[in-house]
This record gives sequence, C-alpha cells and structure tokens, in this order.
Amino acid sequence: GAGVSQSPSNKVTEKGKDVELRCDPISGHTALYWYRQRLGQGLEFLIYFQGNSAPDKSGLPSDRFSAERTGESVSTLTIQRTQQEDSAVYLCASSVTGGRVGTGELFFGEGSRLTVL
Amino acid sequence: AQTVTQSQPEMSVQEAETVTLSCTYDTSENNYYLFWYKQPPSRQMILVIRQEAYKQQNATENRFSVNFQKAAKSFSLKISDSQLGDTAMYFCAFMTYTGNQFYFGTGTSLTVIP
Repeated sequence: GAGVSQSPSNKVTEKGKDVELRCDPISGHTALYWYRQRLGQGLEFLIYFQGNSAPDKSGLPSDRFSAERTGESVSTLTIQRTQQEDSAVYLCASSVTGGRVGTGELFFGEGSRLTVL
Repeated sequence: AQTVTQSQPEMSVQEAETVTLSCTYDTSENNYYLFWYKQPPSRQMILVIRQEAYKQQNATENRFSVNFQKAAKSFSLKISDSQLGDTAMYFCAFMTYTGNQFYFGTGTSLTVIP
C-alpha cells in the first residue's frame, strides 16, 4: 500500500505474555520511528532506525522492550512480560531520510492498540 | 534539551469561527523544522502544516496558518472557518536539522461545535 501499515490494529493480552507489533513503512523511507501514546497523552519516543545505522534506542523504557528492523523494510517492536502500564497505542512513523535532509515530514500508521489485562 | 509545550489541553470553537492553538518550544539550535499534526478520532496522525525556521514568512495551507515568532520561540496554529472535521487532537512538533528525533507537545484537543 501507499501508507505506513501497522498490525495488529488491536491486541489484548494477559499480563506476563510477550507481544510483537509490526510496522511496514512506506517504500523508500529510510527512517522509521516507534512512539507510545498513552490514553489522552502525547507521543513518547521509543526508538529510531535510519538505514543500516545503529538504532537510537534512547527512548525504550525498559529492557522488556526491543525492536528490530532489517535494512529499510519491516520493523517489529517486541514487549516481553507485558505489564498493565504497557497498555497504550503504539505508533509507527516513517520518513524519507529522517532529520538530516528533506522535508522532515513523518508519515504515521494508524497504530496498534495494546491492552494488557 | 529540546522541549515543546502546549498549554491548552482542550479548546472548543463554533463552526465557521476562527481558533488559535498555542505552542512554545525551547532549543539552542538555530535551524529546525516545526510542525502541526492532527490526530482525529480515527487515530492516524496527519501533517497539517510545516514551517522551516530560516523562513521568515509564515506558512499557510488553505484554512490553516501559523504565526511563527522565532525570537519568542512560539509557533501558534490558526484555523479559520472551522469545520466539524477539524475536531481532533492537535500536536505541535519540533525537529532539529542536526538530530533525528521529533519532539512532540502533549496536544490540544479541539472540538468544533455545530
């Protein structure tokens, strides 16, 4: 498709289970971001990928969170041993080159809503 | 450190009226981008308008315009002739030329009243 695609759209899990969220960026976009948005709040930066460079993991809240991206393709965000405070919408965004060149515009997916019971 | 502040958690406006959403930011950088994003109830974030800091002219996109005051580090969004479809959460965002992170404000929830 033409836009950023995220799956699943909604995920309900039990506390302690692992979850995997997927993001398929726009083709040709080298930069990919993951954000967390708790109910009624702003966007919390989690991790940033730029091409084949080492990712910026500075926003990951704990070692239960990890993310991978192979080249400029799909990314997966994994949350291990989920806790109730992990409940949020996880947004993925991509851009042409990240912050260095170009318009800087981020294109967002519709997000994955995670509910931890 | 870069910060973005939106001091109006909620606002409302009558249909066809004009509303202004406030945003201030803090940075020591001289070159950067500023953005307003809209997040309707459907959840997908959409770019509304973008401003480059080196441009003195305020950006305009149809009914949306900004008042960019670089010295004051202020970047407000004006929505003219408000429409029901403008009801959404609006986020101000900032990105430096040298960095890769986008810094978002906490958002302003705008309701357009018929």
